[in-house]
Amino acid sequence: EAGVAQSPRYKIIEKRQSVAFWCNPISGHATLYWYQQILGQGPKLLIQFQNNGVVDDSQLPKDRFSAERLKGVDSTLKIQPAKLEDSAVYLCASSIGQGEAFFGQGTRLTVV
Amino acid sequence: GENVEQHPSTLSVQEGDSAVIKCTYSDSASNYFPWYKQELGKRPQLIIDIRSNVGEKKDQRIAVTLNKTAKHFSLHITETQPEDSAVYFCAANSGGATNKLIFGTGTLLAVQP
Repeated sequence: EAGVAQSPRYKIIEKRQSVAFWCNPISGHATLYWYQQILGQGPKLLIQFQNNGVVDDSQLPKDRFSAERLKGVDSTLKIQPAKLEDSAVYLCASSIGQGEAFFGQGTRLTVV
Repeated sequence: GENVEQHPSTLSVQEGDSAVIKCTYSDSASNYFPWYKQELGKRPQLIIDIRSNVGEKKDQRIAVTLNKTAKHFSLHITETQPEDSAVYFCAANSGGATNKLIFGTGTLLAVQP
Protein backbone atom coordinates (compact mmCIF):
# COMPACT_ATOMS: atom_id res chain seq x y z
CA GLU A 1 0.00 0.00 0.00
CA ALA A 2 1.42 3.38 -0.97
CA GLY A 3 1.84 5.83 1.87
CA VAL A 4 1.24 9.56 2.12
CA ALA A 5 3.41 11.36 -0.43
CA GLN A 6 4.74 14.86 0.11
CA SER A 7 6.93 17.16 -1.92
CA PRO A 8 9.34 18.77 -1.84
CA ARG A 9 11.35 17.14 0.97
CA TYR A 10 13.37 20.28 1.63
CA LYS A 11 12.94 23.96 0.79
CA ILE A 12 15.01 27.01 1.63
CA ILE A 13 13.54 30.44 0.92
CA GLU A 14 14.15 34.00 1.94
CA LYS A 15 11.71 35.78 4.22
CA ARG A 16 8.82 37.44 2.40
CA GLN A 17 9.00 34.88 -0.41
CA SER A 18 6.23 32.42 -1.18
CA VAL A 19 6.30 28.65 -0.96
CA ALA A 20 3.89 25.79 -1.63
CA PHE A 21 3.82 22.22 -0.39
CA TRP A 22 2.00 19.31 -1.97
CA CYS A 23 0.43 16.22 -0.40
CA ASN A 24 -1.10 13.10 -1.90
CA PRO A 25 -2.92 11.09 0.80
CA ILE A 26 -3.48 7.35 0.92
CA SER A 27 -6.15 6.33 -1.56
CA GLY A 28 -9.59 6.28 0.00
CA HIS A 29 -8.67 8.38 3.04
CA ALA A 30 -11.29 11.08 3.39
CA THR A 31 -9.57 13.00 6.18
CA LEU A 32 -6.42 15.00 5.45
CA TYR A 33 -4.42 16.98 8.01
CA TRP A 34 -1.61 19.53 7.71
CA TYR A 35 0.58 19.84 10.79
CA GLN A 36 3.45 22.21 11.56
CA GLN A 37 6.26 20.71 13.66
CA ILE A 38 8.81 23.17 15.00
CA LEU A 39 12.07 21.58 16.14
CA GLY A 40 11.68 20.05 19.59
CA GLN A 41 7.90 20.40 19.68
CA GLY A 42 4.88 18.26 18.97
CA PRO A 43 2.95 18.50 15.70
CA LYS A 44 0.54 21.44 15.71
CA LEU A 45 -2.62 21.06 13.63
CA LEU A 46 -2.96 23.80 11.02
CA ILE A 47 -5.92 22.60 9.01
CA GLN A 48 -8.09 19.52 8.62
CA PHE A 49 -10.11 18.51 5.56
CA GLN A 50 -12.94 16.02 5.26
CA ASN A 51 -13.05 15.20 1.54
CA ASN A 52 -12.73 18.67 -0.04
CA GLY A 53 -14.32 20.60 2.83
CA VAL A 54 -12.50 22.33 5.69
CA VAL A 55 -13.39 20.81 9.08
CA ASP A 56 -11.07 22.93 11.21
CA ASP A 57 -8.65 25.74 10.44
CA SER A 58 -8.69 27.50 13.79
CA GLN A 59 -4.88 27.36 14.14
CA LEU A 60 -4.08 28.41 10.56
CA PRO A 61 -2.55 31.93 10.34
CA LYS A 62 -4.93 32.96 7.58
CA ASP A 63 -3.16 36.24 6.82
CA ARG A 64 -0.28 34.27 5.29
CA PHE A 65 -1.24 30.59 5.10
CA SER A 66 -3.77 29.03 2.76
CA ALA A 67 -4.66 25.46 1.87
CA GLU A 68 -6.93 23.71 -0.53
CA ARG A 69 -7.96 20.19 -1.35
CA LEU A 70 -9.52 20.18 -4.77
CA LYS A 71 -11.56 17.11 -5.73
CA GLY A 72 -11.06 15.69 -2.24
CA VAL A 73 -7.71 14.04 -3.00
CA ASP A 74 -4.44 16.02 -3.28
CA SER A 75 -3.85 19.06 -1.15
CA THR A 76 -1.56 22.08 -1.28
CA LEU A 77 -0.46 24.32 1.57
CA LYS A 78 0.87 27.77 0.72
CA ILE A 79 2.70 30.40 2.72
CA GLN A 80 2.80 33.95 1.40
CA PRO A 81 4.81 35.84 2.56
CA ALA A 82 7.03 33.60 4.71
CA LYS A 83 8.48 34.71 8.03
CA LEU A 84 11.52 33.40 9.88
CA GLU A 85 9.27 31.73 12.47
CA ASP A 86 7.68 29.60 9.75
CA SER A 87 10.83 27.46 9.67
CA ALA A 88 9.56 24.00 10.57
CA VAL A 89 8.68 20.59 9.18
CA TYR A 90 5.27 20.55 7.53
CA LEU A 91 3.65 17.17 7.89
CA CYS A 92 0.68 15.91 5.95
CA ALA A 93 -1.37 13.02 7.33
CA SER A 94 -4.47 11.16 6.25
CA SER A 95 -6.94 8.83 7.90
CA ILE A 96 -10.16 6.92 7.40
CA GLY A 97 -12.58 8.59 9.75
CA GLN A 98 -11.70 8.33 13.44
CA GLY A 99 -8.72 6.06 13.13
CA GLU A 100 -4.98 5.96 12.73
CA ALA A 101 -3.46 8.98 11.05
CA PHE A 102 -0.69 8.05 8.61
CA PHE A 103 2.00 10.66 8.15
CA GLY A 104 4.06 11.61 5.13
CA GLN A 105 7.82 12.21 5.30
CA GLY A 106 7.26 15.93 5.69
CA THR A 107 8.71 19.02 4.05
CA ARG A 108 11.48 20.74 5.97
CA LEU A 109 11.20 24.49 5.40
CA THR A 110 14.00 26.86 6.26
CA VAL A 111 13.29 30.59 6.01
CA VAL A 112 16.43 32.75 5.97
CA GLY B 1 -9.65 24.81 23.49
CA GLU B 2 -8.48 21.24 23.47
CA ASN B 3 -5.16 20.59 25.14
CA VAL B 4 -2.90 17.58 25.70
CA GLU B 5 -0.12 17.75 28.27
CA GLN B 6 2.73 15.25 28.30
CA HIS B 7 5.37 14.41 30.92
CA PRO B 8 8.27 14.02 31.24
CA SER B 9 9.89 15.93 28.38
CA THR B 10 13.00 13.75 28.62
CA LEU B 11 13.49 10.29 30.07
CA SER B 12 16.69 8.30 30.38
CA VAL B 13 16.60 4.64 31.39
CA GLN B 14 19.00 1.72 31.44
CA GLU B 15 18.50 -1.04 28.91
CA GLY B 16 16.07 -3.60 30.33
CA ASP B 17 14.32 -1.13 32.62
CA SER B 18 10.75 0.07 32.15
CA ALA B 19 9.73 3.50 30.87
CA VAL B 20 6.47 5.31 31.59
CA ILE B 21 5.18 8.41 29.83
CA LYS B 22 2.04 10.18 31.02
CA CYS B 23 -0.49 12.44 29.29
CA THR B 24 -3.56 14.35 30.34
CA TYR B 25 -6.27 15.73 28.08
CA SER B 26 -8.89 18.41 28.51
CA ASP B 27 -11.77 17.45 26.19
CA SER B 28 -14.17 15.10 27.95
CA ALA B 29 -15.55 14.08 24.54
CA SER B 30 -12.20 12.59 23.46
CA ASN B 31 -12.51 8.88 22.72
CA TYR B 32 -9.37 7.97 20.75
CA PHE B 33 -5.83 8.08 22.17
CA PRO B 34 -2.92 7.09 19.91
CA TRP B 35 0.79 7.04 20.68
CA TYR B 36 3.36 7.84 18.01
CA LYS B 37 7.09 7.18 17.87
CA GLN B 38 9.28 9.57 15.91
CA GLU B 39 12.91 8.76 15.20
CA LEU B 40 15.28 11.56 14.31
CA GLY B 41 14.46 13.03 10.91
CA LYS B 42 11.64 10.58 10.25
CA ARG B 43 7.86 10.70 10.21
CA PRO B 44 5.74 9.92 13.32
CA GLN B 45 4.54 6.33 13.28
CA LEU B 46 1.73 4.82 15.32
CA ILE B 47 2.88 2.27 17.88
CA ILE B 48 -0.32 1.68 19.84
CA ASP B 49 -3.73 3.26 20.35
CA ILE B 50 -6.67 2.88 22.71
CA ARG B 51 -10.31 3.82 22.57
CA SER B 52 -12.40 5.04 25.47
CA ASN B 53 -14.35 1.81 25.89
CA VAL B 54 -11.18 0.03 27.00
CA GLY B 55 -9.05 0.66 30.10
CA GLU B 56 -5.86 -1.06 28.99
CA LYS B 57 -4.30 -2.43 25.83
CA LYS B 58 -1.10 -4.38 25.41
CA ASP B 59 1.09 -5.24 22.43
CA GLN B 60 4.22 -7.22 23.34
CA ARG B 61 6.47 -4.85 25.34
CA ILE B 62 4.16 -1.85 24.94
CA ALA B 63 1.00 -1.13 26.90
CA VAL B 64 -1.31 1.84 27.25
CA THR B 65 -3.67 2.54 30.15
CA LEU B 66 -6.58 4.99 30.14
CA ASN B 67 -8.36 6.61 33.07
CA LYS B 68 -11.34 8.48 31.64
CA THR B 69 -12.47 9.84 34.97
CA ALA B 70 -9.14 11.52 35.59
CA LYS B 71 -8.63 12.26 31.86
CA HIS B 72 -5.19 10.77 31.69
CA PHE B 73 -3.48 7.97 29.81
CA SER B 74 -0.03 6.45 29.96
CA LEU B 75 2.42 4.55 27.79
CA HIS B 76 4.41 1.74 29.37
CA ILE B 77 7.43 0.19 27.69
CA THR B 78 8.95 -2.84 29.42
CA GLU B 79 12.37 -4.41 28.87
CA THR B 80 13.57 -1.33 27.00
CA GLN B 81 16.11 -1.71 24.21
CA PRO B 82 18.43 0.86 22.59
CA GLU B 83 16.21 0.86 19.48
CA ASP B 84 13.35 2.20 21.63
CA SER B 85 15.27 5.50 21.82
CA ALA B 86 13.15 8.14 20.05
CA VAL B 87 10.64 10.90 20.71
CA TYR B 88 7.22 9.65 21.75
CA PHE B 89 4.05 11.69 21.28
CA CYS B 90 0.66 11.09 22.79
CA ALA B 91 -2.45 12.45 21.11
CA ALA B 92 -6.16 12.73 21.73
CA ASN B 93 -9.00 13.38 19.36
CA SER B 94 -11.44 16.19 19.95
CA GLY B 95 -14.52 14.02 19.82
CA GLY B 96 -17.65 15.05 18.00
CA ALA B 97 -17.81 15.71 14.28
CA THR B 98 -14.42 17.35 13.75
CA ASN B 99 -12.25 14.57 15.22
CA LYS B 100 -9.20 16.83 15.42
CA LEU B 101 -6.06 14.97 16.53
CA ILE B 102 -4.20 17.07 19.11
CA PHE B 103 -0.65 16.09 20.03
CA GLY B 104 1.32 16.39 23.24
CA THR B 105 4.70 18.09 23.36
CA GLY B 106 6.71 14.88 23.17
CA THR B 107 9.05 12.83 25.37
CA LEU B 108 12.62 12.17 24.33
CA LEU B 109 13.40 8.64 25.52
CA ALA B 110 17.05 7.61 25.73
CA VAL B 111 17.79 3.96 26.49
CA GLN B 112 21.36 3.57 27.71
CA PRO B 113 23.02 0.27 26.75
